[in-house]
Amino acid sequence: EIVLTQSPGTLSLSPGEGATLSCRASQSVSSSYLAWYQQKPGQAPRLLIYGASNRATGIPDRFSGSGSGTDFTLSINRLEPEDFAVYYCQQYGSSPLTFGGGTKVEIK
Amino acid sequence: QGQLVQSGAEVKKPGASVKVSCKASGNTFTIYYIHWVRQAPGQGLQWMGLINPSGDTTPYAQKFQGRITMTRDTSTRTVYMELSSLTSEDTAVYYCARGDGYKSLFDYWGQGTLVTVSS
Repeated sequence: EIVLTQSPGTLSLSPGEGATLSCRASQSVSSSYLAWYQQKPGQAPRLLIYGASNRATGIPDRFSGSGSGTDFTLSINRLEPEDFAVYYCQQYGSSPLTFGGGTKVEIK
Repeated sequence: QGQLVQSGAEVKKPGASVKVSCKASGNTFTIYYIHWVRQAPGQGLQWMGLINPSGDTTPYAQKFQGRITMTRDTSTRTVYMELSSLTSEDTAVYYCARGDGYKSLFDYWGQGTLVTVSS
């Protein structure tokens, strides 16, 4: 099973600042099958990024993903008020599918 | 298109079973894999398993083997997830999510069903 470790656990930032979230895998994620989701309280997760770096439909270009192998990053350029949420990475290159523990981006 | 609507919240006693439904809109139901993911209060996401489009293959996460069953009814475009031998540790929000394969990202999610296990 691939274990995904996200850091930091919490990121305290102000609107307009940039955010960098990390997701590290215990073994290489095949074909960069790594996705990022955003989840707000009381809501289901929303797909942001797939294939490590491809934005899902309707996702603003201030969100970007990068990385390969075992190290992946989600960057959010100029945080908007609606971006404060919890972010999860997920690998779908091998079974069982696994998620990271999440990074909460909170308002400073 | 792609909307998934789940059944309502449930309260169960320890040892009981729960069956959660997930109804899909649109006419592409027959080509999608439906996965189930749960989230305990204040915790992260945990993949539970999936059912393939024909309903004849259901790989489950090892943690749930022996007490989980997923089925699908094509006539009503509904998928069901039944979990038995419930304990308080099964208290969680259960989500169905649409995928395009056995190993998949999830582009559409149901709204979630809260299952509370309490004596």
